[in-house]
Amino acid sequence: EVQLVESGGGLVQPGRSLRLSCAASGFTFDDYAMHWVRQAPGKGLEWVSGISWNSGSIGYADSVKGRFTISRDNAKNSLYLQMNSLRAEDTALYYCAKDNKKWGSSSDPYGMDVWGQGTTVTVSS
Amino acid sequence: QSVLTQPPSVSAAPGQKVTISCSGSSSNIGNNYVSWYQQLPGTAPKLLIYDNNKRPSGIPDRFSGSKSGTSATLGITGLQTGDEADYYCGTWDSSLSARVFGGGTKLTVL
Repeated sequence: EVQLVESGGGLVQPGRSLRLSCAASGFTFDDYAMHWVRQAPGKGLEWVSGISWNSGSIGYADSVKGRFTISRDNAKNSLYLQMNSLRAEDTALYYCAKDNKKWGSSSDPYGMDVWGQGTTVTVSS
Repeated sequence: QSVLTQPPSVSAAPGQKVTISCSGSSSNIGNNYVSWYQQLPGTAPKLLIYDNNKRPSGIPDRFSGSKSGTSATLGITGLQTGDEADYYCGTWDSSLSARVFGGGTKLTVL
């Protein structure tokens, strides 16, 4: 079964850091670009960051640039999001998602065909 | 405020047809493929349409996509109560160097 499972969310104070993880199974992880997409409570989807299959291409939304770092470990079939200097507006459900075509970059307009269940990040004092 | 504009809500009766629009610009829809997603309440998004008009396996042909210029449209025929969900368009924006989503459209099947 193709699956993505996020972890690492929680309650954190403004200015602190958090690291999210996404464990992939059921597909050849290192063939696909991966993304983090978030959804604030009651709001729409917001793309956060994407990384190509070989980590050669990485992109970030302006809202997180300079604060968040995406990475992947293909040997461990895992995707990560290091979140620093967290703000209240980063409070959201964070999903990891897989591109639906192989060997894409973070800038390809591909669909995202597999999504995890999400992990909740709450930034509050 | 998203660079892709969708109507906040649409509604139609069971069995009828509905269309959801997604308006953008030359930096996004005009020069890139569009995808569509369905998000049922309390669940993760699901890919309905990719490359403007292609359906992943398992998606019924009641769902269709089209693109013209800087706008895209999702069509749903034979509406069912189970189609009540939020629908999002998405693509790449070359000016922002970012993947972008529309603000979402809530479909109500009356």
